[in-house]
Amino acid sequence: TQLLEQSPQFLSIQEGENLTVYCNSSSVFSSLQWYRQEPGEGPVLLVTVVTGGEVKKLKRLTFQFGDARKDSSLHITAAQPGDTGLYLCAGGGGSNYKLTFGKGTLLTVNP
Amino acid sequence: SAVISQKPSRDICQRGTSLTIQCQVDSQVTMMFWYRQQPGQSLTLIATANQGSEATYESGFVIDKFPISRPNLTFSTLTVSNMSPEDSSIYLCSVDPGGADTQYFGPGTRLTVL
Repeated sequence: TQLLEQSPQFLSIQEGENLTVYCNSSSVFSSLQWYRQEPGEGPVLLVTVVTGGEVKKLKRLTFQFGDARKDSSLHITAAQPGDTGLYLCAGGGGSNYKLTFGKGTLLTVNP
Repeated sequence: SAVISQKPSRDICQRGTSLTIQCQVDSQVTMMFWYRQQPGQSLTLIATANQGSEATYESGFVIDKFPISRPNLTFSTLTVSNMSPEDSSIYLCSVDPGGADTQYFGPGTRLTVL
């Protein structure tokens, strides 16, 4: 069984601060997805990384896939209240295209 | 990508009744998934519903409790049967249009069982 450990589970910061969310596993994944979910909505895909060592940037968000494809990180620079939400990582490569989800990081950015 | 709608968006039901949740996609997709999510928590996969085959249920979920239909490539339903308060949750459908392990989610159905 593949497991994804996501940390921290909760994060409350002030506007303008930087933060990093981690997603770790002992298993290798063929890809890793990051989603953000706001209250009352479904998860929205932020990025997919597929190559070990890959780094992708999306405005103030930087995503990295570990060299061994077992871990990933999401770094947010100068967080804004609009970044508030539940961040989920998900590993691909499971049978029947199923994803393995981490437990999520609930981020609150205070103005 | 894909645009997904769900109906109803929310409902309050009495225990012992059943609710059918609809999921509509704006394009034809083979792979569709149904999840359950407690507020503020991660997603738990209920079943995979691929068109042309019977739904495949995850451990802890059974067809009698969560029957699924997949009549075509753009539509699916999930029924929550004989509901109890423990079934109160958010139910989400998702699709993987390209078979690339990238799923797109509907807005969810928030179910409260009294």
